Amino acid sequence: DQQVKQNSPSLSVQEGRISILNCDYTNSMFDYFLWYKKYPAEGPTFLISISSIKDKNEDGRFTVFLNKSAKHLSLHIVPSQPGDSAVYFCAASAGSNYQLIWGAGTKLIIKP
Amino acid sequence: DAGVIQSPRHEVTEMGQEVTLRCKPISGHNSLFWYRQTMMRGLELLIYFNNNVPIDDSGMPEDRFSAKMPNASFSTLKIQPSEPRDSAVYFCATLSGTYNEQFFGPGTRLTVL
Repeated sequence: DQQVKQNSPSLSVQEGRISILNCDYTNSMFDYFLWYKKYPAEGPTFLISISSIKDKNEDGRFTVFLNKSAKHLSLHIVPSQPGDSAVYFCAASAGSNYQLIWGAGTKLIIKP
Repeated sequence: DAGVIQSPRHEVTEMGQEVTLRCKPISGHNSLFWYRQTMMRGLELLIYFNNNVPIDDSGMPEDRFSAKMPNASFSTLKIQPSEPRDSAVYFCATLSGTYNEQFFGPGTRLTVL
């Protein structure tokens, strides 16, 4: 049972345009959501997060939106840059449980 | 701070051999996670330690896998005997005290022939 789903295995976006990565979840107990970025031959690195008490969090070119009623979150990257090409993972946690539940990842390719 | 350190970065071994993967967590981070990443199954949590004590090992695939954390600055993941299906990238991660953000090491790519 996949509690966190990233339905797009890959996404290709023109440099300078907006990249939108999507994530759906099923567990209504999740109250904290994170996005990680992973380059080949490296471990995932934390990118941005959002608490369930918010619906938006912004950090530079990266914005995460949370729609609790739809159990959906998205990561927007504007403008997209070649260095953004990587695999992006969505993850969620519930309460004081430190364990993260991970999505399968979306490979983002930024075309020049 | 050097971040999470894992060794070796690459390991190639033959089926049946013992493999030991090592992790040095970030100083002061009290929680440590071992993950396995494969193309088929994505990122899987194997075991989670808090204050050097295993809290949840339900993700450990079978008895061939064992993990220890003898002190706050060192952990090992051992596979004995190893099998070709164990081939994967193994990550160690530690937990920031803030907001459940995990910090990952660079991983160990294991190939079992």
